[in-house]
Amino acid sequence: ETGVTQTPRHLVMGMTNKKSLKCEQHLGHNAMYWYKQSAKKPLELMFVYNFKEQTENNSVPSRFSPECPNSSHLFLHLHTLQPEDSALYLCASSQAAGTLAKNIQYFGAGTRLSVL
Amino acid sequence: AQTVTQSQPEMSVQEAETVTLSCTYDTSESDYYLFWYKQPPSRQMILVIRQEAYKQQNATENRFSVNFQKAAKSFSLKISDSQLGDAAMYFCAYRGNTGNQFYFGTGTSLTVIP
Repeated sequence: ETGVTQTPRHLVMGMTNKKSLKCEQHLGHNAMYWYKQSAKKPLELMFVYNFKEQTENNSVPSRFSPECPNSSHLFLHLHTLQPEDSALYLCASSQAAGTLAKNIQYFGAGTRLSVL
Repeated sequence: AQTVTQSQPEMSVQEAETVTLSCTYDTSESDYYLFWYKQPPSRQMILVIRQEAYKQQNATENRFSVNFQKAAKSFSLKISDSQLGDAAMYFCAYRGNTGNQFYFGTGTSLTVIP
């Protein structure tokens, strides 16, 4: 148990659905991250939040909408997804991003998303 | 942009034997950090070991050690006395001294044969 919890573990949705992924960390960290993990590809960083402010958006389509209401919670709102968006979505947290680069990221177990 | 390459999609090792997983990276930075993460079937990524580029001494954590060759931009992971619980995907990762990004390789799937 790394102290980062993601729900749901599995999600199946149609292309017209709206759903949200949730991430919660109990580590007192100030930075949170969303990654997309697809088979045979490197992890793709999607968003970074540092002290509740979004600091990175790696050209992610607008059908993915992040929300960080506080330093402990991170959401990824999904709308009008495509089948190619099917993947494992991982959340991570660390101490403040951009400082002391040796900070370690702690990962959740991910949400396996299937878009039909 | 930095890239991390893991050239071995799959590896296998006999229980109690030693295995080495390869990782190379490309960067123009002089100060950075390297990591090996393990992702078991439970999917939760767990840090195995890390290395600061300014340190010449190779990092060691119990049965896990690295061979860090800065000039060659190589960062291999050696697992000694392999155990069944070591079976997992292993990801090599890079982080520069500034910025928010970690760069990951494509992973190596390790099978441990009883």
